[in-house]
Amino acid sequence: NAGVTQTPKFQVLKTGQSMTLQCAQDMNHEYMSWYRQDPGMGLRLIHYSVGAGITDQGEVPNGYNVSRSTTEDFPLRLLSAAPSQTSVYFCASSPGTRLSSPPFFGPGTRLTVL
Amino acid sequence: GQNIDQPTEMTATEGAIVQINCTYQTSGFNGLFWYQQHAGEAPTFLSYNVLDGLEEKGRFSSFLSRSKGYSYLLLKELQMKDSASYLCAVKGVTGGGNKLTFGTGTQLKVEL
Repeated sequence: NAGVTQTPKFQVLKTGQSMTLQCAQDMNHEYMSWYRQDPGMGLRLIHYSVGAGITDQGEVPNGYNVSRSTTEDFPLRLLSAAPSQTSVYFCASSPGTRLSSPPFFGPGTRLTVL
Repeated sequence: GQNIDQPTEMTATEGAIVQINCTYQTSGFNGLFWYQQHAGEAPTFLSYNVLDGLEEKGRFSSFLSRSKGYSYLLLKELQMKDSASYLCAVKGVTGGGNKLTFGTGTQLKVEL
């Protein structure tokens, strides 16, 4: 199993550009989520999904869209990039059957918005 | 909402024991996770507590007191490779398994 994969690893955007961060998992996990990590702020939840076709907002959803058309994929779209979205983005997944199952994190995407 | 506090930095000596504390205030509680994160890498799972008491896993142990809103991670026989950030995260009662609230992390430095 590849686990949780994210592409790209690094990305530089100009203000106003749009892009999609890809996340895929091959563990048949129901739950998937996106976090961003900024210095001194910890990991903050952007959006999450409890199954295909179901998504909801986390703590910092503004400026981001998600969709979950399949169990495997959970892309994160930046609609119009802003410098405040410069961050490291982590995708995570976990099975839905046990409360104790920890989210597994992908390797991250390091995004810089100029 | 959730509020989680951890010390920002700690320093310890190789071979010693270190305790990293985490306090939380939450409107709902469904367990507490500890993660390790090396610089430039993803967080990796260390432990999970949902009931009061101590969970031991090799050199790592984690303790939870729900009545006090308190947890700690205990690392024994410290090694240089344990230098990393340690993240405390609380799971709420809504949003399924991935809706965690994280503390800002404790940067542990292990010295010779």
